[in-house]
Amino acid sequence: DIQMTQSPSSLSASVGDRVTITCRASQGISNSLAWYQQKPEKAPKLLLYAASRLESGVPSRFSGSGSGTDYTLTINSLQPEDFATYYCQQYYRTPVTFGPGTKVEIK
Amino acid sequence: EVQLVQSGAEVKKPGESLKISCEGSGYTFTNYWIAWVRQMPGKGLEWMGIIYPGDSDTRYSPSFQGQVTISADKSISTAYLQWSSLKASDSAMYYCATTRSQWPNRFAPWGQGTLVTVSS
Repeated sequence: DIQMTQSPSSLSASVGDRVTITCRASQGISNSLAWYQQKPEKAPKLLLYAASRLESGVPSRFSGSGSGTDYTLTINSLQPEDFATYYCQQYYRTPVTFGPGTKVEIK
Repeated sequence: EVQLVQSGAEVKKPGESLKISCEGSGYTFTNYWIAWVRQMPGKGLEWMGIIYPGDSDTRYSPSFQGQVTISADKSISTAYLQWSSLKASDSAMYYCATTRSQWPNRFAPWGQGTLVTVSS
């Protein structure tokens, strides 16, 4: 199985901050990477796919980059509604696997 | 609008059977895979398996093979996840989610989740 790691596991930030979350795969995944946002007691929501493509309806302050094994989710100008847990997912090979999550909390 | 609506929360005893459901609407149900994802309390997301309702092609994660059964009834646009004998460790939130085309792929949208509690 392809193992996914994320860093940091949690972070504290203020409204307006720029936040960067990193996701690393145990092998190359050819940009077959998605990012999800999950708020407490809610289902995950797709933010980006193919590493950098924004899902329809997702604000442009969210962006993604990376290649090979290393990928990044950036949130520019953090908004109050962005405080949540973020997961990466590789879909290069089955079983698809998720990272352990990064919790973004209010400073 | 593509939407997945899951059945309600369940409270069961160890050893009991259970079947939870996920009804799709707003799209051609037979054209998209539907996956099941487990989230244990306070934990991350785990892909369990997936079914293509068009021909019932079903794939399982090795971690869940033999532990659950995934099925679908395309006549009522509904996918199912079932257990024959629940364990306390099956207590979790279970989500269904669609993919867009070929498998493997990303998941969107997701159902609202079904909370399963297994306790004696």
